[in-house]
Amino acid sequence: DADVTQTPRNRITKTGKRIMLECSQTKGHDRMYWYRQDPGLGLRLIYYSFDVKDINKGEISDGYSVSRQAQAKFSLSLESAIPNQTALYFCATSDSRGAGNTIYFGEGSWLTVV
Amino acid sequence: DAKTTQPNSMESNEEEPVHLPCNHSTISGTDYIHWYRQLPSQGPEYVIHGLTSNVNNRMASLAIAEDRKSSTLILHRATLRDAAVYYCILRVIIQGAQKLVFGQGTRLTINP
Repeated sequence: DADVTQTPRNRITKTGKRIMLECSQTKGHDRMYWYRQDPGLGLRLIYYSFDVKDINKGEISDGYSVSRQAQAKFSLSLESAIPNQTALYFCATSDSRGAGNTIYFGEGSWLTVV
Repeated sequence: DAKTTQPNSMESNEEEPVHLPCNHSTISGTDYIHWYRQLPSQGPEYVIHGLTSNVNNRMASLAIAEDRKSSTLILHRATLRDAAVYYCILRVIIQGAQKLVFGQGTRLTINP
């Protein structure tokens, strides 16, 4: 079983709809992240959370919101989806106690906005 | 912004060594150099990281230039399963928070 699980893995939604991507982890890490990857590009940070009460914007937070429901759960919401939010989304975790702060990624969620 | 520059693509043969270069001329003294790779249809996975000294692990070696403005990921004996996009990343401290800044990566093709 994956340590970082994302649901759904694939979703097609219509412009203007609200969509939530969920992430759960069994690694016991305190830090969680949401990244976005567009075809042929690297990953860009949307939001990150260093613990349940600490949520921060990343490079491209406009149009997104997040909720850290518990240490193990971090969800990403698109309140009103638009086509240019079509991308591959990755959740990730890291342990602040670990040297070097290695980040562990989920398998990704493909989101298509039509 | 701290950033890295890598070749868009590289090609090598199976069972031969591969040297993947990365330039990071704006690196600061506290920035760690990380390498991740992304296999098709998967999330990125950690390969190796270092600060100043060369590093070795079971997956690869990391050679860091003395001035730290460049580094090289070394795969000692490439296999077909090493075909992936390799990201050279700086772990930077911004306003007290640690972040990984991804570039576009190098797509590595391994020929049988």
